[in-house]
Amino acid sequence: EIVLTQSPGTLSLSPGERATLSCRASQSISSSYLAWYQQKLGQAPRLLIYGASSRATGIPDRFSGSGSATDFTLTISRLEPEDFAVYYCQSYDSSRWTFGQGTKVEIK
Amino acid sequence: EVRLVESGGGLVQPGGSLRLSCAASGFTFSSYSINWVRQAPGKGLEWVSFISNTGNTIYYADSVKGRFTISRDNANNSLYLQMNSLRTDDTAVYYCARVRTNYYMDVWGKGTTVTVSS
Repeated sequence: EIVLTQSPGTLSLSPGERATLSCRASQSISSSYLAWYQQKLGQAPRLLIYGASSRATGIPDRFSGSGSATDFTLTISRLEPEDFAVYYCQSYDSSRWTFGQGTKVEIK
Repeated sequence: EVRLVESGGGLVQPGGSLRLSCAASGFTFSSYSINWVRQAPGKGLEWVSFISNTGNTIYYADSVKGRFTISRDNANNSLYLQMNSLRTDDTAVYYCARVRTNYYMDVWGKGTTVTVSS
């Protein structure tokens, strides 16, 4: 069973700053099966990135994903006020979907 | 507009049952697999169950196996989750989400809240 560990748990940054979020898998996974979601309080998750690096429809290009094997990164190049939220990585393996525990990006 | 709308949540006692529904619109429902994903209060996301577009392939998380049953009615663009033997730790917001080829979920409903409490 794959375990996804996200770090840090909380990231305190100011608007305009760069955010770097990490997602580490307990074993190597296909980058095709790694996705990132954004969730704001009281809302459903929203797909940001799929296939480790492909932006979903309508996602601004300040969001980018990278990585392979066990180490994946979501980068927000310049934080906008609407980007402060919780971010989850997700993978698929052996008929199971797994989420990381989330990283909260909060206003400093 | 592509939409998923969940319904059927509510308050139920431990050991009770509940049936959730998910209504799809704006896309060809019978062409897509669907997941149920839940989120306990203040917690992260947890995958619950998967059903393929035809209904022929079904998976469950270990935490719900033997208690929950997923099904779909492609003629009526609907998905269901029959939840039996409910426990307090099943308390969560339940989302249905469309699954794409590489197993990511690109469309989510707003969720329905299930509370299991005496």
